[in-house]
Order: sequence, then structure tokens, then C-alpha cells
Amino acid sequence: QVQLQESGPGLVKPSETLSLTCIVSGDSVSSGSHYWSWIRQPPGKGLEWIGYIYFTGNTNYHPSLESRVTISLETSKNQFSLRLRSMTAADTAIYFCARTRRSGDKVDYWGQGTLVTVSS
Amino acid sequence: QSALTHPASVSGSPGQSITISCTGTSNDIGRYNLVSWYQQHPGKAPRLIIYEVDKRPSGISDRFSGSKSGNTASLTISGLQPEDEADYYCSLYVSSSTFPYVFGAGTKVTVL
Repeated sequence: QVQLQESGPGLVKPSETLSLTCIVSGDSVSSGSHYWSWIRQPPGKGLEWIGYIYFTGNTNYHPSLESRVTISLETSKNQFSLRLRSMTAADTAIYFCARTRRSGDKVDYWGQGTLVTVSS
Repeated sequence: QSALTHPASVSGSPGQSITISCTGTSNDIGRYNLVSWYQQHPGKAPRLIIYEVDKRPSGISDRFSGSKSGNTASLTISGLQPEDEADYYCSLYVSSSTFPYVFGAGTKVTVL
């Protein structure tokens, strides 16, 4: 059974950098069949794509965030990470990591999500 | 970037059928068949319930069905049950876009 688990701080100060990690079990981040993705959800709002990474290290970021975001892989630990710079209150959200089929047809496994609040 | 339009809310009584629409354009939903749907209960992660327009993952009830006509994809929930009360999101993969994934804004389903 594939499982994903986010970890990271629940509180970040404005202008600082958010760092989150997603630990994967039951699959390998070196799998060629999937993208490893980050998706977020502001409180009371809908789902927003942040971006994804392939086992080659190739990344694709949503245009609205690409100037501030970096997604990376740590294959030895079977995990991937998100860094989002220059955080503001608008970045307060639940952050989900997820496995996305490379064919584009589905996001089939999700982490439980972690709430990140931006506040001084 | 494509934008997918949902109704904000849909409601129905137990046992009824409801349909949630997801409307795009001839350049996205009208052209591509990689439409998926996700169910999200409050405080939970989304769950995949339909992919490739009308396919159900294993373990998903056959009360959930998907379809597409023209520029609109639809999710139908038959035999509505109290546990179906949740938010539902459509998603589309548009291979011609620089960033190919997009979610709809979501529909709140209320079981009366």
C-alpha cells in the first residue's frame, strides 16, 4: 500500500522560507511511472497545484509560484521536498504531497496534509 | 492556463441522483479525455473517485459515474447517501499546456 506523509513546521514567519518533506512508503520515488507532487489548499478554498518532480530531477512548477518554489528528490531516503520562499499570509494553507501518474490521468495517492500558517 | 467551472453547491435527498458539472472549453475538456474527479470530506485529504472521464479505481462504489459531452464533464452520484456529503473537484490534464494540470473550484454536495 502506497503511503505519503508530510512533515515540517506548522508556523512560518512572513518573508521566511517554508521547507516540507514528504516521506514515501510502498513505492519508490525513482519510479518512472509517476510524478511526485505538491498541492495546497488555503483554508475554506479549493485545491491549488504547486508543482511536481520526476525521478530524473526534472520539475514543473505552476506559473503563479514558479519564481518562489523548488521541489527536490532525496532518492536515498525515498522522499521529496518542497521549499517555498518569501512566504506571506496568502501562502497559509494545508499542503499535500501526492503521487501523480505520469500519463496525467490521476493523482492516486495523497498524504494527509499539513497545515502551514504564516504569521509573525 | 485552463479554468474549469463547477456549480458552487448541489444538494439532494438520500436515494436521489445528483450530477455535478465541470465546464471548460473546446481547448481543454472538449479536446482531452484525462478528466478525473476527487472527493474530499472536511479535514481529510482528497480521494480519487473517477479517472479518464469514466473509470473507477478499485474500491470506489459504482454509485459514482463519470461522463463527458462536448466541453463539459459530469460526475453523477446515484442513490445518494449521507456519507456522500463532501466537496468534489474535477481535474484535467492538458498536455499542450506548460503546466498541464488544473483543478476546478469544487462543488459542495449536501445531503438533505
